[in-house]
Amino acid sequence: DQQVKQNSPSLSVQEGRISILNCDYTNSMFDYFLWYKKYPAEGPTFLISISSIKDKNEDGRFTVFLNKSAKHLSLHIVPSQPGDSAVYFCAASDTGTASKLTFGTGTRLQVTL
Amino acid sequence: DTAVSQTPKYLVTQMGNDKSIKCEQNLGHDTMYWYKQDSKKFLKIMFSYNNKELIINETVPNRFSPKSPDKAHLNLHINSLELGDSAVYFCASSLKQGGQETQYFGPGTRLLVL
Repeated sequence: DQQVKQNSPSLSVQEGRISILNCDYTNSMFDYFLWYKKYPAEGPTFLISISSIKDKNEDGRFTVFLNKSAKHLSLHIVPSQPGDSAVYFCAASDTGTASKLTFGTGTRLQVTL
Repeated sequence: DTAVSQTPKYLVTQMGNDKSIKCEQNLGHDTMYWYKQDSKKFLKIMFSYNNKELIINETVPNRFSPKSPDKAHLNLHINSLELGDSAVYFCASSLKQGGQETQYFGPGTRLLVL
């Protein structure tokens, strides 16, 4: 039973444009959400997180939006850069922290010139 | 000055063998984890240790035994390896600060069981 779903396995965006990566979850107990970025042959790298008491968190070019009623979150990258090309994982926790994460299957983002 | 390191990076072995993967973190974190990423790229938590004590064990076969000699190390020993154990294994560590906690991952160990 996959509690965190990333329904788009891949996404291609032109450099300079906005990339929007989506994530849906089914467990209403999830209260902390994170996005990780992963390059080939490397471990996931933390990007940004959001607590369920917020609906938006911003860090530079990265913004995460949380819609609790829809059980949906999204990661916006503006402007997209070629170095953003990677696999992006959404993760969720029901402990209020990152102590026990449930990951989605990832979305491969390709930023083209 | 690698934060979370794993050895070996690649491991190819025969079915039935016993093997270990080592993990070390130099971040001073209290909690360490092992994750398995299978062929479908699904990243699933296996174990979590906090200050050398097991706090999460997610329905992992008992052929898998984590060992934490100290806070900075969490090794994974696998007995009687099976074909289905082939995967990428990631170690991670985390520290809770000001109510926020982030996990930092190692580069992964690619295990292939023949």
